[in-house]
Amino acid sequence: LAKTTQPISMDSYEGQEVNITCSHNNIATNDYITWYQQFPSQGPRFIIQGYKTKVTNEVASLFIPADRKSSTLSLPRVSLSDTAVYYCLVNKAAGNKLTFGGGTRVLVKP
Amino acid sequence: DAGVTQSPTHLIKTRGQHVTLRCSPISGHKSVSWYQQVLGQGPQFIFQYYEKEERGRGNFPDRFSARQFPNYSSELNVNALLLGDSALYLCASSLTSQGGNTIYFGEGSWLTVV
Repeated sequence: LAKTTQPISMDSYEGQEVNITCSHNNIATNDYITWYQQFPSQGPRFIIQGYKTKVTNEVASLFIPADRKSSTLSLPRVSLSDTAVYYCLVNKAAGNKLTFGGGTRVLVKP
Repeated sequence: DAGVTQSPTHLIKTRGQHVTLRCSPISGHKSVSWYQQVLGQGPQFIFQYYEKEERGRGNFPDRFSARQFPNYSSELNVNALLLGDSALYLCASSLTSQGGNTIYFGEGSWLTVV
């Protein structure tokens, strides 16, 4: 099982860039790295997924080094509404089952 | 386009009762998974179904069961409810059961057992 480790919490301020690093030391060759955002009482919302190098979409960037043992989610210019729990997961090649850890609670302050 | 839809959104049951939760996947998605999220924790995998067959099962007792219908919708059933079954039950869908597929979640069904 590819276990992930990420900070329990992070504080930031509006307009800043937030970077959350996740380690997944025993990721397998065909596994993907996926990040979700979750607000209280809502289902997790897909943010971004990648396999290697860098992936960017309209809300975030994902940086994955060559050894793929870690990844960094980058949220540019956060706002108060980005306050949420962010989960880093390894999407296993076999079975498409997600194993959630505790996530990172990001608090964006005015 | 409609996302993953779940019903009911909230329900209250008494210990020992049975509950059925329903899920409609995103149109075109053939894989449905169920997760349980207890307050303050991350979601825990319960089941995955693909093409009406069970493809994965998490560490949950036999009181939990599920099925997938020909239209790819799914039901999660929980028998003999315990207080500890109180949680947010999440349904997720993806195109196939293969890894790397993006998995999308519904807003969940809040179950309170009293």
